[in-house]
Amino acid sequence: GNSVTQMEGPVTLSEEAFLTINCTYTATGYPSLFWYVQYPGEGLQLLLKATKADDKGSNKGFEATYRKETTSFHLEKGSVQVSDSAVYFCARRNKSGGSNYKLTFGKGTLLTVNP
Amino acid sequence: NAGVTQTPKFQVLKTGQSMTLQCAQDMNHEYMSWYRQDPGMGLRLIHYSVGAGITDQGEVPNGYNVSRSTTEDFPLRLLSAAPSQTSVYFCASSTGTAIYEQYFGPGTRLTVT
Repeated sequence: GNSVTQMEGPVTLSEEAFLTINCTYTATGYPSLFWYVQYPGEGLQLLLKATKADDKGSNKGFEATYRKETTSFHLEKGSVQVSDSAVYFCARRNKSGGSNYKLTFGKGTLLTVNP
Repeated sequence: NAGVTQTPKFQVLKTGQSMTLQCAQDMNHEYMSWYRQDPGMGLRLIHYSVGAGITDQGEVPNGYNVSRSTTEDFPLRLLSAAPSQTSVYFCASSTGTAIYEQYFGPGTRLTVT
C-alpha cells in the first residue's frame, strides 16, 4: 500500500544545531511529498512540498529533496531555533488511482530545541 | 478570513452518548476532511468530501458519520461514543487544484469515559 515512514522521536537538540528528520515512502505510483509542522496546541501547517523526483522544497530555512532512487524525503535545517520546537509530519499524496484525494501521513517526530 | 474553525475545543462524553463536532471554512474550498490524531499513530483519515453532497470513507470511518450539505460546513457525528474514540480531531480543507495544501483547524480534544 501507500505509506510513509519517518524516524521516531523525540529529537532533542541545542539551538543552532543541525537537524535531520528521516522520511521514506513506499514506491507506489508517482507521489507528491510534503512536510507539515504542528506547533503546540495548533493544527498542522504545510511547511514545504516537492512534486517530482529531484525537486527540492524549502521554507523557513528547512529543506527536503525528493530522492526517487532512495525513496526518501529527509527534512534538514542547518541551524535550529527554539521556535522550531514542534511535531513534524512527513506526508505523501498519490497522483493517480482511487485514492487521489488522500494524504497519507507519517506518525510524526517531536522536535525539542533547547536554548 | 477566519480559515477553518472547529467547535468545541474540548468535550467530555460518557460512553454511549452522541454528539456532533462542527467544522466550517470560509475559503470556498471544495475539499474537506476529518482526521483523528492519537499518540504514536500520526493522523488517520476518518471521512472526506470533495464537494457539497459528496462524502466518502477514509481509513478509520467506523463509528462516525458525516454529511456535506453546504460548501462551508462539514460536521462529524459520533453516534454512540466509545472510549476508543478518545482522541484529538482535526478538520481540514483545501482547494480542488491544490489538495495537498490542506488548511487545518485548531482541533477538538474529545475524551470518552
